[in-house]
Amino acid sequence: AQKITQTQPGMFVQEKEAVTLDCTYDTSDQSYGLFWYKQPSSGEMIFLIYQGSYDEQNATEGRYSLNFQKARKSANLVISASQLGDSAMYFCAMREGPGGTSYGKLTFGQGTILTVHP
Amino acid sequence: GAGVSQSPRYKVAKRGQDVALRCDPISGHVSLFWYQQALGQGPEFLTYFQNEAQLDKSGLPSDRFFAERPEGSVSTLKIQRTQQEDSAVYLCASSRPGNTEAFFGQGTRLTVV
Repeated sequence: AQKITQTQPGMFVQEKEAVTLDCTYDTSDQSYGLFWYKQPSSGEMIFLIYQGSYDEQNATEGRYSLNFQKARKSANLVISASQLGDSAMYFCAMREGPGGTSYGKLTFGQGTILTVHP
Repeated sequence: GAGVSQSPRYKVAKRGQDVALRCDPISGHVSLFWYQQALGQGPEFLTYFQNEAQLDKSGLPSDRFFAERPEGSVSTLKIQRTQQEDSAVYLCASSRPGNTEAFFGQGTRLTVV
């Protein structure tokens, strides 16, 4: 079974500073995908960034980067130059690899609430 | 609209009442997922459709939960004889097979009183 662990219930960061949100995962699959989603108070899940298990380069999307350490089974999200609008809940998720009956199904962590202070 | 649409956004049901939650995925998206998100928790998988076929319903918590997607587009999640523990946000997501990104709707917040 797949498992995602986010050990930081809450994080605080000063505006314009960088912040790292931790995520570790456990899977026996060789092929899998790792995602980060942002969920503001309005409730929608906003896709931020994706890392495939075979990708050799760390994924980057604008101010978001994913620090992928496969041997340690960690996929930490780094947000650079934090903005007030970054305050939200952040979820790490893993997708079952191809070959499973539910390819695309996501397993989510418990989430980390990020608060950006002015 | 271009995104995943869910209705209603909010639903209050009396315990024992049946409810139906609708998901209208992005046009052309073959894969459709339902998730349940309890307050302060991460979403948990309920069920998965590929077109009209329900390929995985392992996450449905009881036989009171039923989902369908008869024509391979709109999906309905039905909960019979609602209980207080069913109170949660129900999220729908759709994607193209093999695509890296699943697009989520805004969810339906169900409150059972």
